[in-house]
Amino acid sequence: QVQLQESGPGLVKPSGTLSLTCAVSGGSISSSNWWSWVRQPPGKGLEWIGEIYHSGSTNYNPSLKSRVTISVDKSKNQFSLKLSSVTAADTAVYYCARTHTYYYDSSGYPYLDYWGQGTLVTVSS
Amino acid sequence: EIVLTQSPGTLSLSPGERATLSCRASQSVSSSYLAWYQQKPGQAPRLLIYGASSRATGIPDRFSGSGSGTDFTLTISRLEPEDFAVYYCQQYGSSQFTFGPGTKVDIK
Repeated sequence: QVQLQESGPGLVKPSGTLSLTCAVSGGSISSSNWWSWVRQPPGKGLEWIGEIYHSGSTNYNPSLKSRVTISVDKSKNQFSLKLSSVTAADTAVYYCARTHTYYYDSSGYPYLDYWGQGTLVTVSS
Repeated sequence: EIVLTQSPGTLSLSPGERATLSCRASQSVSSSYLAWYQQKPGQAPRLLIYGASSRATGIPDRFSGSGSGTDFTLTISRLEPEDFAVYYCQQYGSSQFTFGPGTKVDIK
């Protein structure tokens, strides 16, 4: 059973950089999966931030791309998120998740199947 | 960018009733790339349906998905008390995921 656990500061100052890490257990980060970050502002919906493959390849949400960096540390079986120039609008619960693609009959079915419990990050002075 | 719209915003039903949730895309989505998630307060989302109609592991058969092109539906045949939650559709395209705004299913 794959488990993911987010960690990092719960409070970040405006204009600062939000940094979170997701530790993966019960499976290897070097498996054939991508690894995603998703956020949810209080009382609002889900927003996908981006994903990384163990090779270091990344895909980002175009609306956040200029401020986001996702990296991977295979030796620690974890991946990380950095979001720069944060404002109050970046206050949210941040989730890490596994992006899995199920292949059947020459078709791929991508989805987010394992999620961390989420961590609230508040941007405030 | 494909935009997903979900309706209704809130669905008020009683246990045992049938729930029909709609997800509409601003342009055609491959059925392979359409998924549904359930989220309860204080919890992470849980994958229900992938490929528009395939149930994820451990999901009861009262949950079913259908649709193609721009119109997709999640149906809960008979609501159980634990089904009252928010439901999100999600699509994958152009190397990114996007989510719909969600439908809240609450107790009437």
